Amino acid sequence: NSKVIQTPRYLVKGQGQKAKMRCIPEKGHPVVFWYQQNKNNEFKFLINFQNQEVLQQIDMTEKRFSAECPSNSPCSLEIQSSEAGDSALYLCASTLSTYEQYFGPGTRLTVL
Amino acid sequence: GEQVEQLPSILRVQEGSSASINCSYEDSASNYFPWYKQEPGENPKLIIDIRSNMERKQIQELIVLLDKKAKRFSLHITDTQPGDSAMYFCAASANYGNEKITFGAGTKLTIKP
Repeated sequence: NSKVIQTPRYLVKGQGQKAKMRCIPEKGHPVVFWYQQNKNNEFKFLINFQNQEVLQQIDMTEKRFSAECPSNSPCSLEIQSSEAGDSALYLCASTLSTYEQYFGPGTRLTVL
Repeated sequence: GEQVEQLPSILRVQEGSSASINCSYEDSASNYFPWYKQEPGENPKLIIDIRSNMERKQIQELIVLLDKKAKRFSLHITDTQPGDSAMYFCAASANYGNEKITFGAGTKLTIKP
């Protein structure tokens, strides 16, 4: 069972507002991923980190999101200006640099 | 980037029978193929996976087959039970453990009593 912790579980924001969510990876897992799952169940990779460094990110993340994984603090993903299309389940996963990725419970964002 | 196709999108089978989900991928560099089960309102849970050095893997009633030549892999659930009803996602990942996973579109499996 996954030991990835995500907060908050639910987040409601108005358009244009910032939306911030956090993730505590499983202990000892240096690699963290963020994915977005939309209402059609489609997954989109957003960004991943190894320790504090960004490994990969998509254009949307670079332009509209702020993400970090500081040492000794939760990782975070923040949408700078929420749009209706950002309403989705945001999933954090961590791995021990092996292949298996275990997901946290997710943060369900609703943008009104 | 990698593309993963998953079929069928909807699958209904009688309790006790088998269910099969098929996926294909494009990137020959993909070497890791996990399967996730997601119940309503829950997060995806890893149920079985296979690496490219294997052709078949079984965990209890779950069987995964991998055909690297055809770039296809499949999940077979034998002796299905009502608790198997859920969304199932296949996925593929390339090369290293810190690579992103590319997911299929999902299969909604319903087990009929």
